[in-house]
Amino acid sequence: EDQVTQSPEALRLQEGESSSLNCSYTVSGLRGLFWYRQDPGKGPEFLFTLYSAGEEKEKERLKATLTKKESFLHITAPKPEDSATYLCAVQATGGGSNYKLTFGKGTLLTVNP
Amino acid sequence: KAGVTQTPRYLIKTRGQQVTLSCSPISGHRSVSWYQQTPGQGLQFLFEYFSETQRNKGNFPGRFSGRQFSNSRSEMNVSTLELGDSALYLCASRRDISFYEQYFGPGTRLTVT
Repeated sequence: EDQVTQSPEALRLQEGESSSLNCSYTVSGLRGLFWYRQDPGKGPEFLFTLYSAGEEKEKERLKATLTKKESFLHITAPKPEDSATYLCAVQATGGGSNYKLTFGKGTLLTVNP
Repeated sequence: KAGVTQTPRYLIKTRGQQVTLSCSPISGHRSVSWYQQTPGQGLQFLFEYFSETQRNKGNFPGRFSGRQFSNSRSEMNVSTLELGDSALYLCASRRDISFYEQYFGPGTRLTVT
């Protein structure tokens, strides 16, 4: 069974204090790993897709990386508006139309001014 | 381009009743997936529809059902509501089954009393 574990569960940072969120996964074959951001009371907002080990993607202060066992979401010089829950999800390889995302429980990031 | 829309946004029902939730995908998107989000279990996959056919199903009882219409809009139905069905129900759309990135709506908050 596919499993996704995110750590830490919660993280408090001061504005400008860079850090990383971890997503470790167990899947028979990885089709894609996805990062989402979720604000309270809203649906998850798509951030990145990573497909193979060694791949990196960046967006503003966020950078996602992927290895064969885990992914990291690096946050450089965060601002209070980066406060949110960050969700990681994987899709395993399978039949052509067999699509199911398995999500981690998320990391609640709080950035204090 | 309008995002995924879900109606209603909030709903209060009594145990034993049934409920229908609606989702309109992003224009041009033909696949719709449904997820249940709770504090304890996180985001869990319910089912996916493409071309009016259910393509994949998660581990939920038969009380949870759905359908998709020819315009790609989707509905989800939960019969004989239980207290444990209280959750945020999220709908996500993607262009078609060969595209992996999916985009979420704001969700319907269902409270069962």
